[in-house]
Amino acid sequence: DAGITQSPRHKVTETGTPVTLRCHQTENHRYMYWYRQDPGHGLRLIHYSYGVKDTDKGEVSDGYSVSRSKTEDFLLTLESATSSQTSVYFCAIRRHTNTEAFFGQGTRLTVV
Amino acid sequence: AQTVTQSQPEMSVQEAETVTLSCTYDTSESDYYLFWYKQPPSRQMILVIRQEAYKQQNATENRFSVNFQKAAKSFSLKISDSQLGDAAMYFCASPQGSNFGNEKLTFGTGTRLTIIP
Repeated sequence: DAGITQSPRHKVTETGTPVTLRCHQTENHRYMYWYRQDPGHGLRLIHYSYGVKDTDKGEVSDGYSVSRSKTEDFLLTLESATSSQTSVYFCAIRRHTNTEAFFGQGTRLTVV
Repeated sequence: AQTVTQSQPEMSVQEAETVTLSCTYDTSESDYYLFWYKQPPSRQMILVIRQEAYKQQNATENRFSVNFQKAAKSFSLKISDSQLGDAAMYFCASPQGSNFGNEKLTFGTGTRLTIIP
């Protein structure tokens, strides 16, 4: 298995609170991604990173921010959680753009 | 807007039979890779097969093969001799144009495959 770990695995939080999800890799892969998975929508890209301090938006980036200060860590922050952000969040890593993505185990986030 | 379309939300197939899952995509890249992933109930994302767009030959991995039509931007997955363990959600993925090309990986909405014993 690719060395990729997401934390926490489960979280319940209240509306309006900030939440940070962490993705940690031990593979030294250049590219890192955050997706959310919702029924009927598949996996939708939130943000991705193509290097340390280099990030870009995906298709559903509103309400989310990311940071990558080290190669191995990619953080996803919900500035003020809303119920619409209840979802399963996946982190993925890729060595190159011609290689497959390896996924973490996912984080189930519930906003109440 | 979704640039990867999987038009079959659900499909079922008899065990040992063959099934084809469809996928169309839209990318402005000329050289790229396409992927099919499988997600069983464990939620783990597992790579099934990948296709290099500049290769004419369709990729094959054991019982899994693709029918890649570059001009039509179609990338279907064929599963032969279906087994109970093939039951899962299947996602197609393609790149979307971005700063340097190909780094945005976009997924479809998925097809849930049921295997009938």
